[in-house]
Amino acid sequence: QKEVEQDPGPLSVPEGAIVSLNCTYSNSAFQYFMWYRQYSRKGPELLMYTYSSGNKEDGRFTAQVDKSSKYISLFIRDSQPSDSATYLCAIPTGGFKTIFGAGTRLFVKA
Amino acid sequence: GAVVSQHPSWVICKSGTSVKIECRSLDFQATTMFWYRQFPKQSLMLMATSNEGSKATYEQGVEKDKFLINHASLTLSTLTVTSAHPEDSSFYICSAQQGSDQPQHFGDGTRLSIL
Repeated sequence: QKEVEQDPGPLSVPEGAIVSLNCTYSNSAFQYFMWYRQYSRKGPELLMYTYSSGNKEDGRFTAQVDKSSKYISLFIRDSQPSDSATYLCAIPTGGFKTIFGAGTRLFVKA
Repeated sequence: GAVVSQHPSWVICKSGTSVKIECRSLDFQATTMFWYRQFPKQSLMLMATSNEGSKATYEQGVEKDKFLINHASLTLSTLTVTSAHPEDSSFYICSAQQGSDQPQHFGDGTRLSIL
């Protein structure tokens, strides 16, 4: 079993839809969780950085962590064509090591 | 805050030449910097981890003599692709991290094309 699993998609939604992106992880000791957005031919950009369980909201983005299920989610409200990108979950595993999910490709159609 | 600058953004060169890519953390000191390679529609592949003033740690399968990493200061790391060949063509991305369990902040990547 991989330490972090993420469905690569692609996921295609109409403009204005609520998008749900998810990752599962295997180690219950993980405490910090991140989401990155990567546009084509650009480096990943940090979107959300959360600690432990619960929700964190930033504008149209909400990160949710369920440690009991080892499940993390990123919700995008009122999705826009400019949200079309690859979204990666990432989990620091101790020290300076971070595991990245495979990334989910999202297409938001106008 | 947490800006990482990577140059050049795109380089085309002839087979056999060496190419240097720079990665700078502009507004923070980076304890550790990372170098990744990414093929089209694939995820990030970690090549090496470097700490200021010490030798880089390379991932299995990455040739340390081909991909030279220098981390001379807390704000600058360089990757030199030596005697580059067409199979080295790829998208190379650096990142910098301020502390343990902190997020990595990424540069915008370098598209390397070897003719």
